[in-house]
Formats: sequence, C-alpha cells, structure tokens
Amino acid sequence: SAVISQKPSRDICQRGTSLTIQCQVDSQVTMMFWYRQQPGQSLTLIATANQGSEATYESGFVIDKFPISRPNLTFSTLTVSNMSPEDSSIYLCSMTGSYNEQFFGPGTRLTVL
Amino acid sequence: GENVEQHPSTLSVQEGDSAVIKCTYSDSASNYFPWYKQELGKRPQLIIDIRSNVGEKKDQRIAVTLNKTAKHFSLHITETQPEDSAVYFCAASKGNQFYFGTGTSLTVIP
Repeated sequence: SAVISQKPSRDICQRGTSLTIQCQVDSQVTMMFWYRQQPGQSLTLIATANQGSEATYESGFVIDKFPISRPNLTFSTLTVSNMSPEDSSIYLCSMTGSYNEQFFGPGTRLTVL
Repeated sequence: GENVEQHPSTLSVQEGDSAVIKCTYSDSASNYFPWYKQELGKRPQLIIDIRSNVGEKKDQRIAVTLNKTAKHFSLHITETQPEDSAVYFCAASKGNQFYFGTGTSLTVIP
C-alpha cells in the first residue's frame, strides 16, 4: 500500500494563530481526506480534498476555518485558522486504496494554548 | 446520513479468550465495512474488512460477520494476546463516505 506522511507530527500553538499541516503520498491517488480525532474520541471527517477543485466540507466544518489545498494527486494541506484551545486535537489525512479502503497518515497532534 | 453505533465502549478479556465487538448501521446503501485498530499514539490501521456481498470473512485470529438484513456487523478476535490491546473502530461506507463508530477500548489481561 502507499506510504503516507504528515508534517508536522506535533505542534504547540498560541491562540489566534494558524497552522498548516502537510500530507504527502508516495503515489498518485484520486481521493484524499482530512479527519479530526479529539482525545479519546472517534474519527470525524472534516472534508474531502479534491484535486483541481474546492474541497467538500462536512457539516460543522467551514472553509474559512479549515482551508484545504490539493495542488496535485500526491499532496494536500489543511490549515487550522484562528486557533482556539478547542481545536486541540489529532488531525489525520487519509487516502483511498485500489478497493476503496482508507489508509491513514501518522497524524498531527495539535495543542493550542 | 449514516449512523454507526459500536458496543461495548470498553472490553477486558483474559489472554486466550475471545473478544467480540458489535456495530450497527442505519443506511442500507452502505456496502463496505472496515475495522481499524489504533494503538496508543499511532494511526488507525486497517485490520480486516467485509463487503456487502459477503457474510463472513476470516484472517487468522480475526473474523468479521455481516448481517445486512439486521444492519449489523461484528469483529471477532480469538485466542487474544496482550498485543491485541488497542482501540478498535468499525466503519460503514458507501462510495467515498466513511462513517466511524465510537470505538472500543480492548484490554487483554495476561
């Protein structure tokens, strides 16, 4: 299966600032996704990163807060904007495999002070 | 939208015993049901999956069953080992939409 990497692996940020998380896949994939996993919780889909068009956001998530880029078939970024402590979470990117399975990146652990 | 419920939220078993985790889903159009294992501080890892045209699938000590009529599916782990201790998530999917259960924290007691 493809190798998925994320940068940074963790960060501690101040309230009101923004952080951009990068996701790199070692092969071209059609679908990439961004999830949030709050401490001790399940995975919540933020948005689908579409190559060449705007991301598709799930209910409760908006582009102004979580802008996403997908410049090509191997790379995507998620920005967490104007952060507050409630944004402290693990952010994971994922990709679909040949049979529609989803594989996850290692995650970015974000702490907002 | 789809609603996936998962039970139990925590499960403790003695090493060597079996563990069963159950999930229900609401959308009859869902046709793909993966299970993920997440160890502390690690990413979720796909461990087994089943599609709606199959009723049961087995991979060594792990098996998954699917009852489409009742809209539930289960993960069975036999001969549990301490390294099976982790959080397990079920999911239901149609197309590219994945809906995850709330997770089961499994502890295998040596």
